[in-house]
Parts: sequence; C-alpha cells; structure tokens
Amino acid sequence: AQSVAQPEDQVNVAEGNPLTVKCTYSVSGNPYLFWYVQYPNRGLQFLLKYITGDNLVKGSYGFEAEFNKSQTSFHLKKPSALVSDSALYFCAVRLYSSASKIIFGSGTRLSIRP
Amino acid sequence: SQTIHQWPATLVQPVGSPLSLECTVEGTSNPNLYWYRQAAGRGLQLLFYSVGIGQISSEVPQNLSASRPQDRQFILSSKKLLLSDSGFYLCAWSVGRGAGNTIYFGEGSWLTVV
Repeated sequence: AQSVAQPEDQVNVAEGNPLTVKCTYSVSGNPYLFWYVQYPNRGLQFLLKYITGDNLVKGSYGFEAEFNKSQTSFHLKKPSALVSDSALYFCAVRLYSSASKIIFGSGTRLSIRP
Repeated sequence: SQTIHQWPATLVQPVGSPLSLECTVEGTSNPNLYWYRQAAGRGLQLLFYSVGIGQISSEVPQNLSASRPQDRQFILSSKKLLLSDSGFYLCAWSVGRGAGNTIYFGEGSWLTVV
C-alpha cells in the first residue's frame, strides 16, 4: 500500500543552524513527492516537489529536498534556519495518474529558537 | 494567476443545524477540487474530490456531502451537524490528471459545533 511517514513529531533547531525534516515513503512504483508548510490557522502552502530528474529539488523560502530512491526518503532541508520557519510541515506522496491519490504524512512541527 | 477563495473563515454552529462551506477558484478552468478536514492541527483527511461538474467522489462515509454546481465552485454541506464535525476544513484545487500536478490549498474554515 502507498504510504508516507514523518518519523518526528517535533524538530527543534537554533536559528542559523541547518535544519532537516525527515520523510520516508512506501510505494510500488515511481513516486511524486511534495512538501507543504502550514502556519497557524492558515491553509497549506506548497514548498517544492520531486517529479523526475535531479535528486536535489529547490523550493520556496530557501528550502530544498533530496530524493533518495535507495532509502525511499525525501528529507526537507535548509542551510540556515530562521525563526520565521517555525511551522507545521507536511510531506506527501502521489503515485497514480489520478486526481485524488495523494497521501499526506502526519506532519512535523518545526520550532526555531532565537 | 489562479486564486482560491473559501468562506466563511470561522463558523460556530449548534448541533443539529445545517452547514454550508463554499469554495471558488479563479483563473483556471476545469480544476480538480477537493475538501479536506484537519483535526487537532495535524493529519489531513480527504473528504471529497471532484474532477468535473456534478462528479463527486467520497473518500469516507460521514455526515457530510459535497456538490459542484459550477465548474469552479465546490460546496461542502451537512443537513445536521454533529459535535464530531468540528475541525478545520480546507478546500484545494489542482489542474490536469497527472500525478505530478500540484494541489493548492485555500485558507481554511474553522468549524466549531457546540
């Protein structure tokens, strides 16, 4: 079955340090992978996606993610964290050429301390 | 550019009362439309999706229904609300049938059933 996991409920990082938010997936074919960010009481904002090609994907607000097929992972990274990066982050995977089959992870709360 | 509008932003309704949440998309045609519910600030549950006018698919049995009376309008309804219907409701859209197409979210509607 198709699934996505975010193993950490919360990640705490000091401002200026690099950050990583982990995501692993399980699919039977080629995955399409997405990252979204949600600020309090707001909708989800699209950050970046992996479709094909270069394993390192760059997105909004200085975020990037690395697709690793052998480890079935798609970790979100940023070289230098900002306090304003504090939010809830969702990884999602889509397999079928279908309007609906997108699966979201349970979310990781990122907290950046000054 | 495309925009999505969702209203009302907040709603407090008594148990047993009806519900209507509306969503419209501008700047595109024939979008795929979705209703998600987010409980406790975490996981997203797909409630309904639609690939065209009058075409609604339900992902989970529940006290809610959806309708798509126009190409870019998606409505979430209930005849009689339950306490368990409380939550954050998100409308979303995408274009095309490919798995790599991004889903974009509205700002959400907070529903509290009292």
